[in-house]
Amino acid sequence: KQEVTQIPAALSVPEGENLVLNCSFTDSAIYNLQWFRQDPGKGLTSLLLIQSSQREQTSGRLNASLDKSSGRSTLYIAASQPGDSATYLCAVPGVGTYKYIFGTGTRLKVLA
Amino acid sequence: DARVTQTPRDKVTEMGQEVTMRCQPILGHNTVFWYRQTMMQGLELLAYFRNRAPLDDSGMPKDRFSAEMPDATLATLKIQPSEPRDSAVYFCASGPELAANTGELFFGEGSRLTVL
Repeated sequence: KQEVTQIPAALSVPEGENLVLNCSFTDSAIYNLQWFRQDPGKGLTSLLLIQSSQREQTSGRLNASLDKSSGRSTLYIAASQPGDSATYLCAVPGVGTYKYIFGTGTRLKVLA
Repeated sequence: DARVTQTPRDKVTEMGQEVTMRCQPILGHNTVFWYRQTMMQGLELLAYFRNRAPLDDSGMPKDRFSAEMPDATLATLKIQPSEPRDSAVYFCASGPELAANTGELFFGEGSRLTVL
């Protein structure tokens, strides 16, 4: 059974800092891994999708890496801004299944 | 602007009442998911459909919950009778066929349910 863990659960940093969010999963047989952002009272917005054959994906100040063999992914946020404050979640579907399993998220607060 | 649409956005009801939540997936997406989010449990998968067929609803309390896709543009989640412990935000998500496309998942804004 796939289990997804995110560390840390919460993070507070001053504006301008570079930061790393972690995601671990127990079953490495995955199609892809997706990072989402959720603002309070809102739905989830897809940030980055990494296919199982890829090592990383970049979008603006965001960079996500994937190491299937170790069951890990990291989301790197460069030069953080107050607008980055949100909860970040990672999700993986297993091979042969369409079930997306989510981590519990990292609640990020960037202080101005 | 393609997006997943959910109704109602907010619902307050009394215990024992029937609740129906609706979802319009993005046109062309053939996988649809229902998730429930609470502070304690996070995001839990309740059910998912592929080409309108239910593939897995093992996460759903069978005695009171039911999920259907009457057509490709509508997915429903029904709770009958509702209980206070059902209070949560219910999300619908849709995605293209995993094998044929990127597998990216798109979420609606959610339906916040409060059962008194």
